[in-house]
Amino acid sequence: DTGVSQNPRHKITKRGQNVTFRCDPISEHNRLYWYRQTLGQGPEFLTYFQNEAQLEKSRLLSDRFSAERPKGSFSTLEIQRTEQGDSAMYLCASSLGQPSNTDTQYFGPGTRLTVL
Amino acid sequence: AQSVSQHNHHVILSEAASLELGCNYSYGGTVNLFWYVQYPGQHLQLLLKYFSGDPLVKGIKGFEAEFIKSKFSFNLRKPSVQWSDTAEYFCAVTSSTGYSSASKIIFGSGTRLSIRP
Repeated sequence: DTGVSQNPRHKITKRGQNVTFRCDPISEHNRLYWYRQTLGQGPEFLTYFQNEAQLEKSRLLSDRFSAERPKGSFSTLEIQRTEQGDSAMYLCASSLGQPSNTDTQYFGPGTRLTVL
Repeated sequence: AQSVSQHNHHVILSEAASLELGCNYSYGGTVNLFWYVQYPGQHLQLLLKYFSGDPLVKGIKGFEAEFIKSKFSFNLRKPSVQWSDTAEYFCAVTSSTGYSSASKIIFGSGTRLSIRP
């Protein structure tokens, strides 16, 4: 399978713990995005990377959240001191990085986080 | 701010019925429009997209959508649905800002489609 992959697929944690998710984009895609989806809603943008540079962050991304893409390939999203409100599906997407009027994002299966 | 509205939260149809899912967006500039589908237990998949040109776009599995700029709409249609079309459908928009900046996707809240066999 050469699509976007995410690990783990499910994570259950206790409030206050730290969690880290990983995303492996489609090979040769230089843009990588993180979204969050809660029940009954569409995905909401969190942040994106152009190669290793983090170029935009949503106001949804509080200071407890940090994302990295150290070598411009895979990315990690860390949530520190998790809260019950962080429970959601965390989606990763990647794109080739064509001009924005032709660029298409492809999504991974997501990591479902449950904070008890 | 950009926004996307999907007014139908849950649609129930019988097989062979025709489908139209509404989508309206709010944005003053040039937009790119998408429909994504999420089948039960699967990840989001691109159904079709509009960047420019013919406002009637055709996607996979017999779906099509029409971009009506004057109405800020991008409704999804299929003439005859199948049980396998049961899924959640998301309308989405990005702004067309040029090469140097990527575009985050703004999604609607989704429409759950249930097809009765």
